[in-house]
Amino acid sequence: AQKITQTQPGMFVQEKEAVTLDCTYDTSDPSYGLFWYKQPSSGEMIFLIYQGSYDQQNATEGRYSLNFQKARKSANLVISASQLGDSAMYFCAMREVETARQLTFGSGTQLTVLP
Amino acid sequence: GAGVSQTPSNKVTEKGKYVELRCDPISGHTALYWYRQSLGQGPEFLIYFQGTGAADDSGLPNDRFFAVRPEGSVSTLKIQRTERGDSAVYLCASGLTENTEAFFGQGTRLTVV
Repeated sequence: AQKITQTQPGMFVQEKEAVTLDCTYDTSDPSYGLFWYKQPSSGEMIFLIYQGSYDQQNATEGRYSLNFQKARKSANLVISASQLGDSAMYFCAMREVETARQLTFGSGTQLTVLP
Repeated sequence: GAGVSQTPSNKVTEKGKYVELRCDPISGHTALYWYRQSLGQGPEFLIYFQGTGAADDSGLPNDRFFAVRPEGSVSTLKIQRTERGDSAVYLCASGLTENTEAFFGQGTRLTVV
């Protein structure tokens, strides 16, 4: 079974609007971390935001917030006030603390911000 | 520099040749990861080092792939008898510990012709 599922291959959003990128995960490990990375066309993977499985509150970093719904095993990324520079590939990833140390990535969502 | 550095940025090699890809992690980071990313895909785990030792090499596709980190800092990914299917971007990442976020380098684009 896929550990990380991103069901939106591509998304479009109007500049200054908010957008939600979906991510669901599958693990039996009680302790895990969820990450979002941005990959612009230059290729570099840029860390955006982290949510731990035991964190009580949803993570926020500037215009990025993570909508963490543990029971549903979802960790959606919300980008508020989209900017043209947000156009990029976005990857959701998970690290299982007990069973693995590496990040497992989803297939990504290509976000295009329209002027 | 302050970030993860990978060299070369691009490598073109002939089928059957041997290649080495280098990763210079952020100073002080004990965790180091290698990933491979094919076009349109997410990064695929290859190997993880904690210090000098390979803590998990379960992602290496076959015995043509090998990686070392002899002094717990710089790491080298070695590919023997390269095949056209090895063409991809090879990403290196490092983390302060295994439980913190990983920071990625720019990657090495390997093309096997």
